[in-house]
Amino acid sequence: QQQVKQSPQSLIVQKGGISIINCAYENTAFDYFPWYQQFPGKGPALLIAIRPDVSEKKEGRFTISFNKSAKQFSLHIMDSQPGDSATYFCAASRSGYSTLTFGKGTMLLVSP
Amino acid sequence: NAGVMQNPRHLVRRRGQEARLRCSPMKGHSHVYWYRQLPEEGLKFMVYLQKENIIDESGMPKERFSAEFPKEGPSILRIQQVVRGDSAAYFCASSRQGEYEQYFGPGTRLTVT
Repeated sequence: QQQVKQSPQSLIVQKGGISIINCAYENTAFDYFPWYQQFPGKGPALLIAIRPDVSEKKEGRFTISFNKSAKQFSLHIMDSQPGDSATYFCAASRSGYSTLTFGKGTMLLVSP
Repeated sequence: NAGVMQNPRHLVRRRGQEARLRCSPMKGHSHVYWYRQLPEEGLKFMVYLQKENIIDESGMPKERFSAEFPKEGPSILRIQQVVRGDSAAYFCASSRQGEYEQYFGPGTRLTVT
């Protein structure tokens, strides 16, 4: 049973455009939702995270939108740059049980 | 501030040999997690440890795999009698007591020939 579903699998965006990646979860006990960025041959790097008490969180060009009733959250990358080309993973965990459940990843390519 | 350190970065083993993967958490972090990543897949949780204590090993295969985080030294993920299906990238992450944020190391890429 896949507890965190991520889409799309791959995404091509032009430089300067907006990249949008979506995730849906099943377990209503999840209360922490991070996004990780991974470059080839590297470990995942924590990008931004949100808790369900807010509907949106913004850090620079990266924004998480969270919809608790729909059990969905998304990552928006504004003004996408070629250097943003990487694989992005959403994840979820719950208090008292800090292991992360990951989506399968989205490979983003930002064309120059 | 040094991040999470893992070694070796690449490890080649023949079928039937043992693989030992090491992880040193970030300074001030007392929780260690091991995840496995297969090609084109997300990361799958394996085991969660604190010093001298396994908190959750529900994601680890029951046979051939073991993990420890001793009082002194790095955390070790040990795979005995490796098989080709064990070929993957193994990532370690660490966190502070009581905090959600997990920070990952660069991974160990295990190849079983």
